[in-house]
Amino acid sequence: DAKTTQPTSMDCAEGRAANLPCNHSTISGNEYVYWYRQIHSQGPQYIIHGLKNNETNEMASLIITEDRKSSTLILPHATLRDTAVYYCIVRVPSGNTPLVFGKGTRLSVIA
Amino acid sequence: SAVISQKPSRDICQRGTSLTIQCQVDSQVTMMFWYRQQPGQSLTLIATANQGSEATYESGFVIDKFPISRPNLTFSTLTVSNMSPEDSSIYLCSVEGDRYEQYFGPGTRLTVT
Repeated sequence: DAKTTQPTSMDCAEGRAANLPCNHSTISGNEYVYWYRQIHSQGPQYIIHGLKNNETNEMASLIITEDRKSSTLILPHATLRDTAVYYCIVRVPSGNTPLVFGKGTRLSVIA
Repeated sequence: SAVISQKPSRDICQRGTSLTIQCQVDSQVTMMFWYRQQPGQSLTLIATANQGSEATYESGFVIDKFPISRPNLTFSTLTVSNMSPEDSSIYLCSVEGDRYEQYFGPGTRLTVT
């Protein structure tokens, strides 16, 4: 079973920041937070991951609370192409640890 | 990141037959993964395939139903055997990057009639 809780769906206006929350209250000390998204009819796409520090790359920013029990993925300027299902996954970064996908958040970016 | 291709992209098959799905990566990787995504559902890991060893299957998936080959470091196949309509799904392969992030292929959309 997935160890994260995400809202089922969210809407965001085009050009605004999309803030996607994730609760992972049972996260252990060696588990990272990974974010993926799946645009309709495509394979999932890796976005970003982090342990405890905030992370930023060309796609998004990841904010992890100090107690690590929750995090927020931020898309700074959402476009229509960001409409997708976003998955928050916690796992130990090891080849022997599978990705366990929950139901994710369906983000709709609206013009 | 890795570039992954899958063949076929989609197929319609009759029940009782088998389909082999191919996954090709543009670089050498140790581990490859096969997932299933049933209609309206999230992804479920079927098995992990290491080159030179038997695939490791997740609970609920067996080798007789989903045999996997891994002949080299850039290629793998998944066969869906003796298909039934319940096997209608998207099948995806993925590989792991150097920070244990995973990169996915475009998927194979299978419909069993």
